Amino acid sequence: KAGVTQTPRYLIKTRGQQVTLSCSPISGHRSVSWYQQTPGQGLQFLFEYFSETQRNKGNFPGRFSGRQFSNSRSEMNVSTLELGDSALYLCASSPRMTASSTEAFFGQGTRLTVV
Amino acid sequence: DQQVKQNSPSLSVQEGRISILNCDYTNSMFDYFLWYKKYPAEGPTFLISISSIKDKNEDGRFTVFLNKSAKHLSLHIVPSQPGDSAVYFCAARPSGNTPLVFGKGTRLSVIA
Repeated sequence: KAGVTQTPRYLIKTRGQQVTLSCSPISGHRSVSWYQQTPGQGLQFLFEYFSETQRNKGNFPGRFSGRQFSNSRSEMNVSTLELGDSALYLCASSPRMTASSTEAFFGQGTRLTVV
Repeated sequence: DQQVKQNSPSLSVQEGRISILNCDYTNSMFDYFLWYKKYPAEGPTFLISISSIKDKNEDGRFTVFLNKSAKHLSLHIVPSQPGDSAVYFCAARPSGNTPLVFGKGTRLSVIA
């Protein structure tokens, strides 16, 4: 069974630009969560989708948005990039509504660098 | 407001000895706790978990202890191996359909 796939793996963007990251969950999983990992803050929850609906949202500004498609694939978008957005963005998939159990599987992440 | 705290950013242990990673939490409504392990350039992988109704869970070399009165949990790795060198994240689940809350992680280095 293929794991969680995140694309691209690495990305360099300039301040002010926007970026879209993609996550393909494990086949059959309908929940996708996004996390931001930075050295000083650990993993911080961004948002979670289940069956194309946003179920939970973390404490991030409106520049961060996401969506989920009917095939459960998810994208997150960050507009007007700031230097502080440089981080590893992780996606986790789960068969259940909330990826808050041992059934949450993480992708390898997308390393975003904003210059 | 950091609800899950891992106060030690790093820990070095000799191969064969015990590694003890600590985690404190503030929310008494957490009902489930998990430890994840993360290697560089990889996503976190689930390691071991414990329900709030238990005080100990063991899986091979890994044991997690929960002290609810102190709002403290710890992960013991015995014996430590060089392959255990990674960042360990403590996570907690609030009750209901809410996402995991993670600590900032502890980098474990096991020295041969």
